[in-house]
Amino acid sequence: QVQLVESGGGLVKPGGSLRLSCAASGFPFSAYYMSWIRQAPGQGLEWVSHISTTGITIHYADSLEGRFIISRDNDKNSLHLQINNLRADDTAMYYCARFRWGEDIPFDLWGQGTMVTVSS
Amino acid sequence: DIQMTQSPSTLSASVGDIITITCRASQTINNWLAWYQQKPGKVPKLLIYKASTLESGVPSRFSGSGYGTTFTLTIGGLQPDDFATYYCQHYNSYSGTFGQGTKVEMK
Repeated sequence: QVQLVESGGGLVKPGGSLRLSCAASGFPFSAYYMSWIRQAPGQGLEWVSHISTTGITIHYADSLEGRFIISRDNDKNSLHLQINNLRADDTAMYYCARFRWGEDIPFDLWGQGTMVTVSS
Repeated sequence: DIQMTQSPSTLSASVGDIITITCRASQTINNWLAWYQQKPGKVPKLLIYKASTLESGVPSRFSGSGYGTTFTLTIGGLQPDDFATYYCQHYNSYSGTFGQGTKVEMK
């Protein structure tokens, strides 16, 4: 079954850190760019980061101020997002998505998301 | 960063209506533009990419057009299942900026 399953979300205090994971199955994970997108409660979609097939090329949204680190493990078919120095405005549902850049197709497969809540 | 601006923010319509949503980029993006549909509590669904290419399985009443800085999503004959929020997105290998969304609600 072709799917993405996120995990690692939860309630975190401001200033804390969290590592989100996305497990891919049913498709050749190493052949695809991958991305993270987030959505604050009641708000729109915000692109967070892309990572290339090998993990060598990485890009982040300018607004994220260097607190986010995307990575992937192609041997384990997994994508990760490390978020440091968490702030209240990082509270959001975090989605991973497959990005078919080689075919000019953006996010055609999404996970169900993992919720991150930052609160004291 | 390129900014994407959608209009209107909310659109009231009835079943059978033809509706159009506009997305404008702050600078030219050629045709690197996608449209997504999202229903409450659900994951976004890709509708259109490369400005006008329909994703597999998407009904033909959805169409996209535009190039450069101005793009449109048209739904020709609104169906009950189409009431949702729609997002445009500029994408390439180093960016994925979304518009703020357009909510299509029942009149």
